[in-house]
Amino acid sequence: DSGVTQTPKHLITATGQRVTLRCSPRSGDLSVYWYQQSLDQGLQFLIQYYNGEERAKGNILERFSAQQFPDLHSELNLSSLELGDSALYFCASSVAPLWAGITGELFFGEGSRLTVL
Amino acid sequence: AQSVTQLDSHVSVSEGTPVLLRCNYSSSYSPSLFWYVQHPNKGLQLLLKYTSAATLVKGINGFEAEFKKSETSFHLTKPSAHMSDAAEYFCVVSDQDNDMRFGAGTRLTVKP
Repeated sequence: DSGVTQTPKHLITATGQRVTLRCSPRSGDLSVYWYQQSLDQGLQFLIQYYNGEERAKGNILERFSAQQFPDLHSELNLSSLELGDSALYFCASSVAPLWAGITGELFFGEGSRLTVL
Repeated sequence: AQSVTQLDSHVSVSEGTPVLLRCNYSSSYSPSLFWYVQHPNKGLQLLLKYTSAATLVKGINGFEAEFKKSETSFHLTKPSAHMSDAAEYFCVVSDQDNDMRFGAGTRLTVKP
C-alpha cells in the first residue's frame, strides 16, 4: 500500500460528459502528480501541483483541469469527454518536487480506470 | 532536455533464466535514474535508483542496474526470472530541474 488513495477505481460514462477524479496523497506529501496511461500513448505526465500551486504542465488537454486544495488532496476534472480519453489515470505524490527528482520517490495510487462509451 | 529510451517494448523469458531490460538516456547533466515496476492493475512502484553514488545499484526482488556513463545506459537485470516478475517496467530519468521523464515501458513476460 503506497498510502495514495484514488477514487473512483472505475468509472464508465458517455461522450460529452464530465467527470472528476480524486486523489488523496500520502500523509506529509506536498506534491501531487497526475498521469494518464493508455495503450497507444503509454504513460503521459499531465500536471503537477506543489502545496496548492501548479508547478508543471505536461500533455494536458484544455478540456482537462486540476487543482490541489488546502488539505492537499487533488482533483482532476475531465470534460467534454471523447472516446480517446478512455484510460487509466494515476495520481502520485512526493514530499516535494526536488525530493522526488533526487530520490525518485514518487508514490503512486492504484489508478482510476475511465471508460468513455 | 532529458529523455529516456527503452529499447524493447516487450521481453519474454523462461522462468529461471536471466532478465535484461534495456534503457538508454540522454542528459546534459549528471542524471538521476530510476526503474519502476507496474504489476497488472496496480500503481507503479520504485524498484531501484541511481543518484551518483555506486554505479551498480541493487533493488528489490533481486533486480539490479548498472549506470554506464560512456554508454549512456542504465539496463535492468536479474539473474533468474520468477513468475511473479511478470509486469511492466519503466526507466525514468530526472533532469536538472528534478522533473522526471518516464520511458515508454517494457512488458516482461515470464514463461513457465
